[in-house]
Amino acid sequence: KQEVTQIPAALSVPEGENLVLNCSFTDSAIYNLQWFRQDPGKGLTSLLLIQSSQREQTSGRLNASLDKSSGRSTLYIAASQPGDSATYLCAVTPRDFGNEKLTFGTGTRLTIIP
Amino acid sequence: DAGVTQSPTHLIKTRGQQVTLRCSPKSGHDTVSWYQQALGQGPQFIFQYYEEEERQRGNFPDRFSGHQFPNYSSELNVNALLLGDSALYLCASSLESQGLYGYTFGSGTRLTVV
Repeated sequence: KQEVTQIPAALSVPEGENLVLNCSFTDSAIYNLQWFRQDPGKGLTSLLLIQSSQREQTSGRLNASLDKSSGRSTLYIAASQPGDSATYLCAVTPRDFGNEKLTFGTGTRLTIIP
Repeated sequence: DAGVTQSPTHLIKTRGQQVTLRCSPKSGHDTVSWYQQALGQGPQFIFQYYEEEERQRGNFPDRFSGHQFPNYSSELNVNALLLGDSALYLCASSLESQGLYGYTFGSGTRLTVV
């Protein structure tokens, strides 16, 4: 059974710092990994999608990497801003025909201190 | 281009009642998945609909049922509501049923059972 873990559960950093969020998964048989952002009480906003054949994806100040063999992904946020404060969730799509349900970690709650 | 739309945004129901939540997928998407997210937790997969059939199902009781219409929109029905059903219900749509191109989520419906 695929399990996804995100550590730490919460992180506070001063504005302007670069930071890294971690995600690990137990089964490397995946189609892809997706990072999402969630503001309090709101839905999920997709940030980056990395296919299993890719090593990284970039969008603006965000860079996500994937090491499928070790079951790890990182989300790097450069020059953090107060508006980056939110919960960040990673999720994997298992390579398991008929059972490809997106499987989530419990998230990292990020607070950027002005 | 409209993304995933969910209605209603908030709902308060009494224990034992029934509720119906609605979702319209992103334009061009034919698959709809439903998730339940309790406070402080990652979303948990309820079920997925493709070609008007339930294709995958998570570990939820039969009180949770759904439907997909020919225009790809979907409904989630919950019967005999329990206090523990209080959660944010998220709808996600995708280009195809295996999630190869990632998922787009709606803003969610906040259900409170009293």
